[in-house]
Amino acid sequence: QSALTQPASVSASPGQSITISCTGTSSDVGAYNYVSWYQHHPGKTPKLIIYAVSNRPSGVSSRFSGSKSGNTASLTISGLQAEDEADYYCNSYSSSSTLVVFGGGTKLSVL
Amino acid sequence: EVQLVESGGGLVKPGGSLRLSCVASGFTFSNTWMIWVRQAPGKGLEWVGRIKRKTETRTVDYAAPVKGRFTISRDDSKNTLYLEMNSLETDDTALYYCTTRYCSGGGCWDDAFDIWGQGTMVTVSS
Repeated sequence: QSALTQPASVSASPGQSITISCTGTSSDVGAYNYVSWYQHHPGKTPKLIIYAVSNRPSGVSSRFSGSKSGNTASLTISGLQAEDEADYYCNSYSSSSTLVVFGGGTKLSVL
Repeated sequence: EVQLVESGGGLVKPGGSLRLSCVASGFTFSNTWMIWVRQAPGKGLEWVGRIKRKTETRTVDYAAPVKGRFTISRDDSKNTLYLEMNSLETDDTALYYCTTRYCSGGGCWDDAFDIWGQGTMVTVSS
């Protein structure tokens, strides 16, 4: 069981927007502005798309955005494209003995 | 080209040991925190542990499930990261990735990982 809770799957049509939630506790997501998001296509390596809650690394599309409210972080993808179909993971710094915790992942289907 | 290449995975019996390696190229390895992340079949990503730089006394931190069984080390002269795994359990079966801490604009983020290897598979089974 993962420390952070994400929906198992979301789906939408091309051009639409979706939001994936990532719920933690006051010991991780709620305590720090250290939340990252990764895009993971099966068979490839994970790709960092959001860091520090809402920042995009250079080269990442502006269609990806992040936010946080209390113990829940969110990833929004706007103008969905077929290549956005992938697994998405959040993680956060934690004050527990395991310093970095991940969510269980969300499978995005672009119908 | 920035690259991480893991090796050393394989099939091992419960209670056995294995050492994984991760060779880095294309960036200043010695100046980078290195991290191990694993993914069990059909499961999500899991942080295993990290090792800081020499200037930070190469401090190592571990996830609770592996603490006391796994050892992370690095050889900056060889641009290589290691993961020594002992007392292996079936739950340790996973694809093991090495990755780097993301730094940009003079700042670094302990939970953000930007360069990833392709991973090496570890299977613990009798």
